[in-house]
Formats: sequence, structure tokens, C-alpha cells
Amino acid sequence: GAVVSQHPSWVICKSGTSVKIECRSLDFQATTMFWYRQFPKQSLMLMATSNEGSKATYEQGVEKDKFLINHASLTLSTLTVTSAHPEDSSFYICSFLEGSKPQFFGPGTRLTVL
Amino acid sequence: GNSVTQMEGPVTLSEEAFLTINCTYTATGYPSLFWYVQYPGEGLQLLLKATKADDKGSNKGFEATYRKETTSFHLEKGSVQVSDSAVYFCALSPNDYKLSFGAGTTVTVRA
Repeated sequence: GAVVSQHPSWVICKSGTSVKIECRSLDFQATTMFWYRQFPKQSLMLMATSNEGSKATYEQGVEKDKFLINHASLTLSTLTVTSAHPEDSSFYICSFLEGSKPQFFGPGTRLTVL
Repeated sequence: GNSVTQMEGPVTLSEEAFLTINCTYTATGYPSLFWYVQYPGEGLQLLLKATKADDKGSNKGFEATYRKETTSFHLEKGSVQVSDSAVYFCALSPNDYKLSFGAGTTVTVRA
């Protein structure tokens, strides 16, 4: 099946700094990508949907100026957490949509903000 | 709105035991229902899906039936293996791409 990678897999940063997370599809091109956030023992929550070449659509309650999404190409999406704070510590997961096929998910990135 | 509630874990079983993970949902209309599995260190993978009432999804020995009357989509496997140890997520989608997930159930199968 399709492979999606995320980098880094784990990052620790100081409060107030920005962190960029990359999500790449390794063997297919996708026009639509999704970013999810998962707090411990909770559901994955959809944060935003992005289509290549256009601005991301954010879910209610997600600050677009804090979570910057750049859908740079059909194989790369980045999520930048700006001015991170301890409450942003979470597991961030991306996924790609290729046509009508089920979403392909990345392995996730664990962010810890000190 | 849409929501999914699934059985809390963790669940620990012996090999060849019967596995059931309960999942119920709340949704408007007729969503598609999914079970995703996440093996250690990997991304979520679609395990099975059902798109309408009374449909049965099946894969790798796992089954789940779309029960509209009880708004449920319970996952079952008759004889689990150590390799089935993973986190299982129930999910729904009104349009096959915007997913609402349950909290996940960690299953550990011991030899």
C-alpha cells in the first residue's frame, strides 16, 4: 500500500518557539491532505484540510495563525506550530487522499513543548 | 454532530481468544463506518469498512456489521494472533473523507 512519512517522529521544544512538521507521500500524488491532532487517550481530531495550490480549511476552534499549513506540492505538506506552548503538546498525524481511495496516514509526530 | 464511542482499553488476550471491540456512533444521515488499525510505529491503516445498513465489512479475519437500529459497528475476530496486537480505531464519515474517530482501543495478544 501507499507509504506516508512524517518528520520528525518526535520533537521537544521550548515554549515560544516554532516547530515545523513535514508529511510526505512516497509513492503517489495527492491533491488533498489532512492534519489531525490526538491528545492522550482521546480521539484523533481533524484540524484542517488542504488542497494543493490553495489555502487550508480549518476546523472550528483551530487557530489558523497558530497552525500554519503549507501544501507545497502533491507529495509534501507541512504543519508549523508557531509560538508553541505546553498545551500544544500532542500527537500530530497527517493523511493524504488519492482520488476515491481511503486515506493514507502518516505514523505521527509527537510534540512536547516544555 | 457526528461522534464515535468505542470500548476503552487496554484489552489483553491470549492467542486464539475471541476479540470484540464495541463501537457506537451518533450521526445525521447515513455515514460510512470504518475500522482502522495502527501497528506500533506505523500509520493508521484501513482494516474494513461498511457503507450502508446491514453491510458487513471483513478483512484479515476481522468482521463488523453496520447496525443502523443500534447505531453500532462492533469489531470481532474469532481467533486472534500475536500479530493482531495494535491500536484499533472506529470511525465514521458522511462523505468518505472527513473522518470522525473514536478514542482507540489498545489490544495486546499474548502467546
